[in-house]
Amino acid sequence: GENVEQHPSTLSVQEGDSAVIKCTYSDSASNYFPWYKQELGKRPQLIIDIRSNVGEKKDQRIAVTLNKTAKHFSLHITETQPEDSAVYFCAASIQGAQKLVFGQGTRLTINP
Amino acid sequence: DTEVTQTPKHLVMGMTNKKSLKCEQHMGHRAMYWYKQKAKKPPELMFVYSYEKLSINESVPSRFSPECPNSSLLNLHLHALQPEDSALYLCASSRLAGLIETQYFGPGTRLLVL
Repeated sequence: GENVEQHPSTLSVQEGDSAVIKCTYSDSASNYFPWYKQELGKRPQLIIDIRSNVGEKKDQRIAVTLNKTAKHFSLHITETQPEDSAVYFCAASIQGAQKLVFGQGTRLTINP
Repeated sequence: DTEVTQTPKHLVMGMTNKKSLKCEQHMGHRAMYWYKQKAKKPPELMFVYSYEKLSINESVPSRFSPECPNSSLLNLHLHALQPEDSALYLCASSRLAGLIETQYFGPGTRLLVL
């Protein structure tokens, strides 16, 4: 089955700097890659997603890139702010599989 | 209504108790999910309902019993749980199952089994 690896497990950056989180997946049939942000004690919230027919997607300070050949995708957050501090999960899904396979999560801390 | 709601927020139960978790959505979604999340870990899929029918059971012990009475409501009945079942139980929904659809999560029920 699908396996998703996520790195790093923790990331600390200065406010205003950029943060990058990387995920690799094993099943080349995966074609949907969402990113969720989970603040302490809160629900996972979708922040951005990308489908396999697109190489890059951007939404204000957040962008996701996908390299299907290498089977990896990355989350980029620019101009980080304290409210970006949270745990971020990547996930992968195969159309028809009804399942999201999550990475292990990255705890992002923004230092003021 | 663009949210998934869950009740209760917190639940403490003994190993001999029977309790139920409730999840509701009014977005017209036809797929609903139960996940279990332990501290510092990603959500783990337990069950998937598609058009009110159970389509995936991820080999979950029978002390967890899901029910989907209608397209808006999903329950998880709990019986004879173990302390290791203590976790955050998340419900999610998506417009359809089996296609590339965004899953929206509820706030979760934090369960403690004593």
